[in-house]
Amino acid sequence: GQNIDQPTEMTATEGAIVQINCTYQTSGFNGLFWYQQHAGEAPTFLSYNVLDGLEEKGRFSSFLSRSKGYSYLLLKELQMKDSASYLCAVRPSGGSYIPTFGRGTSLIVHP
Amino acid sequence: GAGVSQSPSNKVTEKGKDVELRCDPISGHTALYWYRQSLGQGLEFLIYFQGNSAPDKSGLPSDRFSAERTGGSVSTLTIQRTQQEDSAVYLCASSNGTGGLSPLHFGNGTRLTVT
Repeated sequence: GQNIDQPTEMTATEGAIVQINCTYQTSGFNGLFWYQQHAGEAPTFLSYNVLDGLEEKGRFSSFLSRSKGYSYLLLKELQMKDSASYLCAVRPSGGSYIPTFGRGTSLIVHP
Repeated sequence: GAGVSQSPSNKVTEKGKDVELRCDPISGHTALYWYRQSLGQGLEFLIYFQGNSAPDKSGLPSDRFSAERTGGSVSTLTIQRTQQEDSAVYLCASSNGTGGLSPLHFGNGTRLTVT
């Protein structure tokens, strides 16, 4: 099975940088996803990491350390529209490769 | 359409009634997933389809829940004799594979309220 842990809520200021952490324990690992979900909307795909290191995509970056069971999502130059829930999901190796999601981190960006 | 489509977007039903939720995945996506999201909770896996077969239905909470997929496309999730604890947002997702970078693409969900 898998266990995924991320903070429940974070607040940050517009224009700042915020790092959202995700730790996981899994019996097999085949990649980690980050999704963004605005209230009342569908989760949308942000990033995917399968190898150690940093993946950068515009204002968003995602980091993975497989040996530590650790990932983070880094959001730069925060905008008000970044206020949303950020979901970490781990895809196991083997079986049906079904991603397991964490409970999500609610990010509030204030002026 | 270009994305995953779910209907209805909202459903209010009385306890004990049956409900049917529909999902129309992205064309060509062979994998289809149903998840449930309750207030303050993470996404809870319900069932996974590869084509028309369901190799993993381990997340279905009881035998009141069933799902099918026909023609490798549309899927329906049926909840019989609904209970108040079934109230949640039911999310459907599809992907074009299951390994490597095959992100799930989600629909907007069906918000089910059982009164």
